Amino acid sequence: QSALTQPASVSGSPGQSITISCTGTSSDVGGYNYVSWYQQHPGKAPKLMIYDVSNRPSGVSNRFSGSKSGNTASLTISGLQAEDEADYYCTSYTGSITLYVFGTGTKVTVL
Amino acid sequence: QVQLVESGGGLVKAGGSLRLSCVASGFTFSDHYMSWIRQAPGKGLEWVSYISGSDFPIYYADSVKGRFTISRDNAKNSLYLQMNSLRAEDTAVYYCARNYYEYLDYWGQGTLVTVSS
Repeated sequence: QSALTQPASVSGSPGQSITISCTGTSSDVGGYNYVSWYQQHPGKAPKLMIYDVSNRPSGVSNRFSGSKSGNTASLTISGLQAEDEADYYCTSYTGSITLYVFGTGTKVTVL
Repeated sequence: QVQLVESGGGLVKAGGSLRLSCVASGFTFSDHYMSWIRQAPGKGLEWVSYISGSDFPIYYADSVKGRFTISRDNAKNSLYLQMNSLRAEDTAVYYCARNYYEYLDYWGQGTLVTVSS
């Protein structure tokens, strides 16, 4: 099972919106509505930001939203803030014996 | 509140073994599937293994199958990862995480495993 493909980096100015893509196959992203997104600041553990494609856990800002079309999922951050600067990873359930696959990760820079 | 605390990491020679532990608190441990995820220095996340609340089913990534064994002791609220035949490429921070349906809602702070060649 190959890693899901994400852009290595995305940047934006404060207040802008950015979108991070996560491309897989019909065996993972396209086959299930089980895509989740994690934010990781340097030296810290990942934090769940979006689950089941588009659901936000309690306590996560509504500036974060998720969607999916075909084999590609997306995370959008609106009203970009300095604290959003971090690495972001998507993951998908695969239904195979290798149960989950992570994305390659995207570094978000706030200019 | 939910807490996951990993321990057991350290420096080991290639071919050696190490056992990681993760102690959980703040929730009914036996009700939840649990996972180990690792992150090599400067690299991305890699899912390693998964165990149900009642020990089975268990799943492994191809990269560790046959070398790593996941287990749990619900009486001790503890998750384990026995790592044998360690390789340089197993060097990583290892996180334990709680599964909630098909996502990971809580993560520990991680424990560093360094395999020297």
